[in-house]
Amino acid sequence: DGGITQSPKYLFRKEGQNVTLSCEQNLNHDAMYWYRQDPGQGLRLIYYSQIVNDFQKGDIAEGYSVSREKKESFPLTVTSAQKNPTAFYLCASSITRGPLNTEAFFGQGTRLTVV
Amino acid sequence: AQSVTQLGSHVSVSEGALVLLRCNYSSSVPPYLFWYVQYPNQGLQLLLKYTTGATLVKGINGFEAEFKKSETSFHLTKPSAHMSDAAEYFCAVSVRGSSASKIIFGSGTRLSIRP
Repeated sequence: DGGITQSPKYLFRKEGQNVTLSCEQNLNHDAMYWYRQDPGQGLRLIYYSQIVNDFQKGDIAEGYSVSREKKESFPLTVTSAQKNPTAFYLCASSITRGPLNTEAFFGQGTRLTVV
Repeated sequence: AQSVTQLGSHVSVSEGALVLLRCNYSSSVPPYLFWYVQYPNQGLQLLLKYTTGATLVKGINGFEAEFKKSETSFHLTKPSAHMSDAAEYFCAVSVRGSSASKIIFGSGTRLSIRP
């Protein structure tokens, strides 16, 4: 089955620790995205990538880092510099049609809690 | 700057009544437009999309939306609400970023259905 896999589903982190969220897709999509979701704030874009070895900051990139070494994989690291990391994180991918990317396909999300 | 505005963070309708969820976008060029639905603790599912062509688009579960360029709107409607429609709904646009296309989301509208 084609799709996007995020792991783990639940993640607990101690303050001051870095943690990496996994995102893998087998849809052969070029573009991948990371969003953060907090109650009442919708989805806010953290980072996005159109091609391998290239990525751009979204609206709330501070305290996060990403890599895109393979087309299928786009891991997100939440660093200790992120002051309020507790949130629901969603990874997505999409194809490019014409000048823009078409609809995003989403994973099931990772809920990160700082303890 | 490109943005998406959803009017009303919470909409409540009676079962069988018309559903209308509002979305306005800001973009210098016509974007691609999407509506998504999210059930608790899950990822997002695409309801419908507009890229080019017919401005009235039909989606899953009886939903439809109309792209109105003059009003920069893409409102979501359903003639008759069902209890299973209770969920969070997000409007999104695909636009050009600094060097790649990105998808940005509105803050969401929670739809409640009264028996």
